[in-house]
Amino acid sequence: SAVISQKPSRDICQRGTSLTIQCQVDSQVTMMFWYRQQPGQSLTLIATANQGSEATYESGFVIDKFPISRPNLTFSTLTVSNMSPEDSSIYLCSVGRGTGGNEQFFGPGTRLTVL
Amino acid sequence: DAKTTQPTSMDCAEGRAANLPCNHSTISGNEYVYWYRQIHSQGPQYIIHGLKNNETNEMASLIITEDRKSSTLILPHATLRDTAVYYCIVRVVSGGDMRFGAGTRLTVKP
Repeated sequence: SAVISQKPSRDICQRGTSLTIQCQVDSQVTMMFWYRQQPGQSLTLIATANQGSEATYESGFVIDKFPISRPNLTFSTLTVSNMSPEDSSIYLCSVGRGTGGNEQFFGPGTRLTVL
Repeated sequence: DAKTTQPTSMDCAEGRAANLPCNHSTISGNEYVYWYRQIHSQGPQYIIHGLKNNETNEMASLIITEDRKSSTLILPHATLRDTAVYYCIVRVVSGGDMRFGAGTRLTVKP
């Protein structure tokens, strides 16, 4: 398995501000992903974080709102920009290991509340 | 990726086997069945996956029907700590990310 940590674990932010969430893995991985889980809902993929190139975003998510960095094979950040109360969610980082990311491991998540 | 259908919720008595069904009637020949669970306020946890043969590990067993259109996750002796949302996901082995549905909320009762 992979050990994944996220910072911060939770935060309360004001509308219009931005928050950067960090994801650190204990070993090099090819695939890293960012998910959002809105209250009472399932997980939704935001984007795939690509090392050395721009992230690949899913429909409904844009780089200006959720810029992602992936400077190396063990670290990634997700920024939630110009936040509104609708951005209140749990944000989760995950990594894929094995053939084609056959097994995915998830971080503990960052619980964000926007006032 | 093929779509899956799971019951919204299930109950199970502590110490009994929990059998969680999943329908994936449009599954393709190269798609695997994965199971994850999410305990409240935690990130999803990988449980097991398989292609066509039944699989067993220290957490659970996965039974896939011969036509591969449905599967069952079995927790042999459910405990209160197994209370969670269980997700059945179907995807190709090189599919990268996991696409989560609504899952089944399993409640294990004393």
